[in-house]
Amino acid sequence: DAGVIQSPRHEVTEMGQEVTLRCKPISGHNSLFWYRQTMMRGLELLIYFNNNVPIDDSGMPEDRFSAKMPNASFSTLKIQPSEPRDSAVYFCASTQTGNTDTQYFGPGTRLTVL
Amino acid sequence: GQQLNQSPQSMFIQEGEDVSMNCTSSSIFNTWLWYKQDPGEGPVLLIALYKAGELTSNGRLTAQFGITRKDSFLNISASIPSDVGIYFCAGWPPTSYDKVIFGPGTSLSVIP
Repeated sequence: DAGVIQSPRHEVTEMGQEVTLRCKPISGHNSLFWYRQTMMRGLELLIYFNNNVPIDDSGMPEDRFSAKMPNASFSTLKIQPSEPRDSAVYFCASTQTGNTDTQYFGPGTRLTVL
Repeated sequence: GQQLNQSPQSMFIQEGEDVSMNCTSSSIFNTWLWYKQDPGEGPVLLIALYKAGELTSNGRLTAQFGITRKDSFLNISASIPSDVGIYFCAGWPPTSYDKVIFGPGTSLSVIP
């Protein structure tokens, strides 16, 4: 099993540019989570999907952030326009509903906005 | 909202020493989880606890679900250099579905 796959692993962009982060959950998992990790705020849940439907997006910081899950094997997190304060590591995690304790995390995307 | 506090924030210990860290909350949780994050990687689940008083081991790691349901403890015995990393507690409050809350983490450094 390949585990949760995220791309890119590293992204450096300039303020104002659009950034798209990608995630492929583990096959058979029906819940997907996007987290942001910073030194100041730790791990924050941004949004999660169940069966491709967004369940709770209350953690999304503002309208510049959007997430989609067009099918069971792919999700994107988009930031438009990006700002330096968006610099963080963004993690995607997946789990199988009914086994909610075992969230499997991807390796993360380290985003730097200059 | 609900928050978790972890202590200590960081630890520097000698290889072979035992380690204790804890996690507290002002409200009750139904499930407590302990994760470890290695540098440059995502968190990996170490131990899951499901009921008050439960004590569970995973190799040299032992974790307990507090009786009050507001705290949990993680102990590591005979630490080794590969124990280095950040240890997060996490939990599900009774009112949430799939929405786990993470603590700020305890950073562990092991001196060979």
